[in-house]
Amino acid sequence: KAGVTQTPRYLIKTRGQQVTLSCSPISGHRSVSWYQQTPGQGLQFLFEYFSETQRNKGNFPGRFSGRQFSNSRSEMNVSTLELGDSALYLCASSLAWGQGTYEQYFGPGTRLTVT
Amino acid sequence: QKEVEQNSGPLSVPEGAIASLNCTYSDRGSQSFFWYRQYSGKSPELIMSIYSNGDKEDGRFTAQLNKASQYVSLLIRDSQPSDSATYLCAVWGSGAGSYQLTFGKGTKLSVIP
Repeated sequence: KAGVTQTPRYLIKTRGQQVTLSCSPISGHRSVSWYQQTPGQGLQFLFEYFSETQRNKGNFPGRFSGRQFSNSRSEMNVSTLELGDSALYLCASSLAWGQGTYEQYFGPGTRLTVT
Repeated sequence: QKEVEQNSGPLSVPEGAIASLNCTYSDRGSQSFFWYRQYSGKSPELIMSIYSNGDKEDGRFTAQLNKASQYVSLLIRDSQPSDSATYLCAVWGSGAGSYQLTFGKGTKLSVIP
């Protein structure tokens, strides 16, 4: 079974621009979560989608948004990029939502650099 | 504010020894606990999950959970150089109305041949 895939793997953007990242979950998985990983803050939860609806949201500004499609694929958008948005963005998929017994499996990540 | 605390390390152990990684969490209502391994430049890889008090063994790995003490640990027996990585403790629960997986900042393990 194929794992979680993320595209693109690397991105370089300029301050003020916007960016869209894509995630395809493991086949059969319906929940997708997004995380930001930086050396200083570690792994931080952005949001989780299930059945095309955002179910949970972390403590990030509104510039960070996402959506999920009917095939469970998900996109994350960051508008008005800031230097501090430079990070590894990770997508994780799980079978379902709402119970912590559903294990999350991570994709390879998208490395975003904002200059 | 939910917190998950780990010693940042580095934790150095000789090859063949037992590596012991520890994690404490602040949210008493946390329900599920996970250990991920992350090699440098790679994404986290799930190695263990544990949901009830006690020990859970999988090969060379043993996870231990004590909810009363809000403590979870990972033991790696017969440590190998290939175990050298950062180990992330993750706790699932609710806080401020949002269910999420909260990660510690990780313990860097170095296994010396």
